[in-house]
Amino acid sequence: SQQGEEDPQALSIQEGENATMNCSYKTSINNLQWYRQNSGRGLVHLILIRSNEREKHSGRLRVTLDTSKKSSSLLITASRAADTASYFCATDRGSGNTPLVFGKGTRLSVIA
Amino acid sequence: GAGVSQSPSNKVTEKGKDVELRCDPISGHTALYWYRQRLGQGLEFLIYFQGNSAPDKSGLPSDRFSAERTGESVSTLTIQRTQQEDSAVYLCASSLRATLLGNEQFFGPGTRLTVL
Repeated sequence: SQQGEEDPQALSIQEGENATMNCSYKTSINNLQWYRQNSGRGLVHLILIRSNEREKHSGRLRVTLDTSKKSSSLLITASRAADTASYFCATDRGSGNTPLVFGKGTRLSVIA
Repeated sequence: GAGVSQSPSNKVTEKGKDVELRCDPISGHTALYWYRQRLGQGLEFLIYFQGNSAPDKSGLPSDRFSAERTGESVSTLTIQRTQQEDSAVYLCASSLRATLLGNEQFFGPGTRLTVL
């Protein structure tokens, strides 16, 4: 079953604009991660936020986590054409190094 | 090695044939995962190895699927009597020893399997 559900499924923006993607999940978690996938192949880890954190930054990325609403958002500021990819949120099953449960992803297109 | 590697990168097979997919995790990573991704979909968990513990096979879709891992190194995923619905990208990932704080998973480039 897929715990994380991203919203929107697809997003198209102009270069320089900000992109916001949302993720909702169903059960309690220890942490939530965001991954990026280019061209349907390997995923690259972007950022991990723990259940006791509310916000985290990494470069142009900002992630928020609201455990009361079981939701997270990923903001990419000043987007670039190279940010074009699919973005997935992934949650653990609450017991450490367990397999991640992925959503279906948001397909982001940044138009130059 | 520098990262997780998988082979082959692409595999085309006929329905009913068996296939073996290989994964070489990052050296020192005790946890290894197999996922399947159908076109336009998210990743589905298949199986998980952690050190010498019994693998978590709860995601395997049928008894045609099996996987082995030699110690903390190479893993092979075997699909017997392939069906067209097995067509997907099969992704392998590895991560460091388990902690409650969670671990980043490092993914290989995947094997694209096409069953004709």
